[in-house]
Amino acid sequence: EDKVVQSPLSLVVHEGDTVTLNCSYEVTNFRSLLWYKQEKKAPTFLFMLTSSGIEKKSGRLSSILDKKELFSILNITATQTGDSAIYLCAVLTLNTGNQFYFGTGTSLTVIP
Amino acid sequence: EAGVAQSPRYKIIEKRQSVAFWCNPISGHATLYWYQQILGQGPKLLIQFQNNGVVDDSQLPKDRFSAERLKGVDSTLKIQPAKLEDSAVYLCASSLLGQGRYEQYFGPGTRLTVT
Repeated sequence: EDKVVQSPLSLVVHEGDTVTLNCSYEVTNFRSLLWYKQEKKAPTFLFMLTSSGIEKKSGRLSSILDKKELFSILNITATQTGDSAIYLCAVLTLNTGNQFYFGTGTSLTVIP
Repeated sequence: EAGVAQSPRYKIIEKRQSVAFWCNPISGHATLYWYQQILGQGPKLLIQFQNNGVVDDSQLPKDRFSAERLKGVDSTLKIQPAKLEDSAVYLCASSLLGQGRYEQYFGPGTRLTVT
């Protein structure tokens, strides 16, 4: 059964801390891994990773994929209260018309 | 560009009643998804359309849920009759799914409460 597991489930940090969120997966016909940020409404797209070892970076956020060990990490440096959200990991497969499998998310709370 | 539109934003119904949700995807996006997100969980795919054809509805409870995408643009998701466990946020998303662009764009969701 295809699955995506995220850890930790929740995290509370202080402003300025650096956090690392984890996503591991077991799927058939892997195509890409995507990270989303979900605040009080719909998820918004952050990164898509397809190749191993190539870091994607946007401001204080960065992410990398390891296709051999089947995991990805999302790093946030110098956290701010605006980073408080649920971070979702999704894996896109080549199964039946390109299926997405979502993890349960990591809830991040940044305290001033 | 305009985003994915959904309506209504909130709906409260009693169990055994019926409800319908509407979604208008981003113009030009051939692929449309309906997800159910229960509090504390990640989105769970209910149905995926490619244009007006169903690609995957393996997790759609077909005894009570139905969806259609006439003309390959707007889509509606219906629940009839609703159960208490259907209380969730229903997210619609669209994607180009091609030319290296696989990310989904989500609508604001419809929060359904079944009492």
